[in-house]
Amino acid sequence: AQKVTQAQTEISVVEKEDVTLDCVYETRDTTYYLFWYKQPPSGELVFLIRRNSFDEQNEISGRYSWNFQKSTSSFNFTITASQVVDSAVYFCALSEAGAGANNLFFGTGTRLTVIP
Amino acid sequence: GAGVSQTPSNKVTEKGKYVELRCDPISGHTALYWYRQSLGQGPEFLIYFQGTGAADDSGLPNDRFFAVRPEGSVSTLKIQRTERGDSAVYLCASSSSGVAWETQYFGPGTRLLVL
Repeated sequence: AQKVTQAQTEISVVEKEDVTLDCVYETRDTTYYLFWYKQPPSGELVFLIRRNSFDEQNEISGRYSWNFQKSTSSFNFTITASQVVDSAVYFCALSEAGAGANNLFFGTGTRLTVIP
Repeated sequence: GAGVSQTPSNKVTEKGKYVELRCDPISGHTALYWYRQSLGQGPEFLIYFQGTGAADDSGLPNDRFFAVRPEGSVSTLKIQRTERGDSAVYLCASSSSGVAWETQYFGPGTRLLVL
């Protein structure tokens, strides 16, 4: 069975601090895809990144970076020099290649508050 | 181009009433998904359309829920005899062809409140 766990329910940081959001997943598929989405107060889910299970290379995009480690089934997300605009709920999600619907399985989300 | 749109943005209804929620996906996207997000939770899958057909409806909670996509673009999620437990945000997403690695793009959601 597939599962995504985001153990951190809420995190508060002061502006300019770095913060890491944890994501641990479970799947029996050897081919799968991991995603991060941002949900600002407006409510719309905004796509941030997608990784496939064969590519463990870490990725950096501006202040955002992602650390994918298959050995620990983790796909963590780090925001460097956080800003107030980063305040949102962040969701990690999993899609399995073997599943018919290819729907996303989401974690429960981490609410990040950046204090000015 | 336009993203996924959903109407209405908010819907308040009374217990036992029928509601319809509409989703207009990104133009050209053949795959369309409905999810439900309860307060403090992540979105949960309801149903997936590939073209006009419901390829997977395993996430629908019971037979009060039904969805259609008659022309392969706009989809309507229908809820009969609404219950207070149906209160949630209903999210629609679309992707180009529905394969696992594709990014799903989400609409703003419809916030349903059943009194």
